[in-house]
Amino acid sequence: RKEVEQDPGPFNVPEGATVAFNCTYSNSASQSFFWYRQDCRKEPKLLMSVYSSGNEDGRFTAQLNRASQYISLLIRDSKLSDSATYLCVVDFSGGYNKLIFGAGTRLAVHP
Amino acid sequence: DAGVIQSPRHEVTEMGQEVTLRCKPISGHNSLFWYRQTMMRGLELLIYFNNNVPIDDSGMPEDRFSAKMPNASFSTLKIQPSEPRDSAVYFCASRGGAGGYTFGSGTRLTVV
Repeated sequence: RKEVEQDPGPFNVPEGATVAFNCTYSNSASQSFFWYRQDCRKEPKLLMSVYSSGNEDGRFTAQLNRASQYISLLIRDSKLSDSATYLCVVDFSGGYNKLIFGAGTRLAVHP
Repeated sequence: DAGVIQSPRHEVTEMGQEVTLRCKPISGHNSLFWYRQTMMRGLELLIYFNNNVPIDDSGMPEDRFSAKMPNASFSTLKIQPSEPRDSAVYFCASRGGAGGYTFGSGTRLTVV
């Protein structure tokens, strides 16, 4: 089983749609979780951390289910500028020093 | 804040040559990470340093790869000799506290 698994997509959605990405991880001892965004030929950039209680940042909502070792990202009211690859990231050191990245889910938002 | 600075941005070299990639982390960040990204394997953690000390190099593919961090503001990743399968984008990232990393813009390496 891969350490961090994501559906590669692509997800093709119209502007204004709601889209959800899922991610599973293998290490039950993981403590830190993040979503990163990567644009084509650019470096990954932190989108948001994922907290146990779930958290929201504008149109973005992240959820964590420790029992199922599952993380999700929900994007509401999609914009063209949301088109990118979304990387699920999990720590494998019990802290923050060994972040393992999923392969990413590609999102394409069209007019 | 200049961010994480990597050089060169692009490198094209012939098989068998030595390649040195450079990274300057964000000032005050005490952890530094080297990642490699390819279409086939995604982002792979190669090695990371804490307070200039290598902590985990289990991701380094083989002895041809080596990394150093002589001081808090500089790190190198060296490949000697380089091979075509080393072609990838190499990212350096740093972290100074709780939370995620800040990545540099990457070095796109092509070995022909």
